[in-house]
Amino acid sequence: QVQLVQSGAEVKKPGASVKISCQASGYNFMNYYMYWVRQAPGQGLEWVGAVNPVGGSTGTAQKFEGRLTMTRDTTASTVYMELKNLRSEDTAVYYCARAVAGRGYYFDFWGQGTLVTVS
Amino acid sequence: DIQMTQSPSSLAASVGDTVTITCRASQSVGNFLNWYRQRPGEAPQLLIYRASTLQSGVPSRFAGRGSGTDFSLAISSLQPDDYAIYYCQQSYSTGTFGPGTRVEVK
Repeated sequence: QVQLVQSGAEVKKPGASVKISCQASGYNFMNYYMYWVRQAPGQGLEWVGAVNPVGGSTGTAQKFEGRLTMTRDTTASTVYMELKNLRSEDTAVYYCARAVAGRGYYFDFWGQGTLVTVS
Repeated sequence: DIQMTQSPSSLAASVGDTVTITCRASQSVGNFLNWYRQRPGEAPQLLIYRASTLQSGVPSRFAGRGSGTDFSLAISSLQPDDYAIYYCQQSYSTGTFGPGTRVEVK
């Protein structure tokens, strides 16, 4: 069965960086983009970015440009999200979610979430 | 950027009720509109994609309608599992989410 398993919770100080992983299993890793979505405490969902496992190209929400790096390791079916220069407002649960590429995509499987606390 | 709004922001209903949530986009998104349910402490779950297609395994009491800028999600015969927050998301351009609608116990 499809599973997306994320790394554990992180506590970071302002100005530091955090790197989160999302390991996929149960499907062909190369056939789906991997997206990142975050949710601040008590708040809604926010689209962060996406990585294409074929070639590694990425797309980032404008507010994260310059601070966000997304990579993938195809041999491990794992994607990584690194956010730099952390601020208190980056405190959130970060989810990975897979989707077929292109307009009209939808997130059919999600990771369990990784809580990042900046304090 | 395409902005999404939802109404109401919250509603109270009883088990067995039918509830309807609406979602509006700031510009046309065609039928590229998805609905998710998020139970407390869980990741979101896909309910409806491309405005009206029921995701595999999702009960038929969920139904999506709409196109262009105006969409709705109807939940018939509300079940205890349905007390949650519902989000719409457009996937026409990047992937903006609506602010969510909380369905609470009446």
